Amino acid sequence: DAKTTQPTSMDCAEGRAANLPCNHSTISGNEYVYWYRQIHSQGPQYIIHGLKNNETNEMASLIITEDRKSSTLILPHATLRDTAVYYCIVRVEYGNKLVFGAGTILRVKS
Amino acid sequence: EPEVTQTPSHQVTQMGQEVILRCVPISNHLYFYWYRQILGQKVEFLVSFYNNEISEKSEIFDDQFSVERPDGSNFTLKIRSTKLEDSAMYFCASNPRGGVTEAFFGQGTRLTVV
Repeated sequence: DAKTTQPTSMDCAEGRAANLPCNHSTISGNEYVYWYRQIHSQGPQYIIHGLKNNETNEMASLIITEDRKSSTLILPHATLRDTAVYYCIVRVEYGNKLVFGAGTILRVKS
Repeated sequence: EPEVTQTPSHQVTQMGQEVILRCVPISNHLYFYWYRQILGQKVEFLVSFYNNEISEKSEIFDDQFSVERPDGSNFTLKIRSTKLEDSAMYFCASNPRGGVTEAFFGQGTRLTVV
C-alpha cells in the first residue's frame, strides 16, 4: 500500500470548515483513499473513502486531485467533538488490513 | 446502529498469565481483525480472520497470540503468556465483506500487564 504524508497537527475554529490534507504521491491505480479518525483512544471510526471522484457523506467531503497524488478531507462545520486524530490511509480495493500512520491531530477550538 | 462490542474494557494481568480478549463483531460481518495501540503510538495491525482461518498476520502476531471464533458470534484474541510490552489498547474490527468497505471498530480493551 502506498505511503501517505499528513501534517502533524492543525487547529480549526469551531463552526469553520476544517481542511485536512494528505499526500499520497505514490498511489497506484487500484488504490483507494480512506479516512478514519480516532477520538481520544477510542476505536478508530470510518469517515469516508474514494477512488478518484470527489465524495460526500453526512460526515465529510473528500476531494481527490485529478492526478490522485493528494487529497483533502473537509469537515464543513467543525465542532469541538471533531477534535481527534485523523488518518489518511491508502489501500488496494481488495486489501485486507488498514495501515495507520501517525495521522493529523485536529484541535477544534471555541 | 449495530456496533462491535469488546469485553472487558480494562484488564489487568500478571506477567506470564494468559489473557483472552473478547469481541462480538457486527452480526452479518464476515471479516474480523485485531489491532493494538501501545500508549502514544500508532494503531498496529495484528491479524485478520475470514472463513474460520487467519488470512493475514503481522510480525507482532507471534506464537504467543492466537485467535478463535468459537461460535457464531464471538471472536477472541488469546495471549498465552503475557509480557510487560503487551500492555496496550486492543481493538477488534469487522467488515461486512472484503473489497471497498469500511471497517467498524470496537471501543477497545485496555490491557495492563504488571
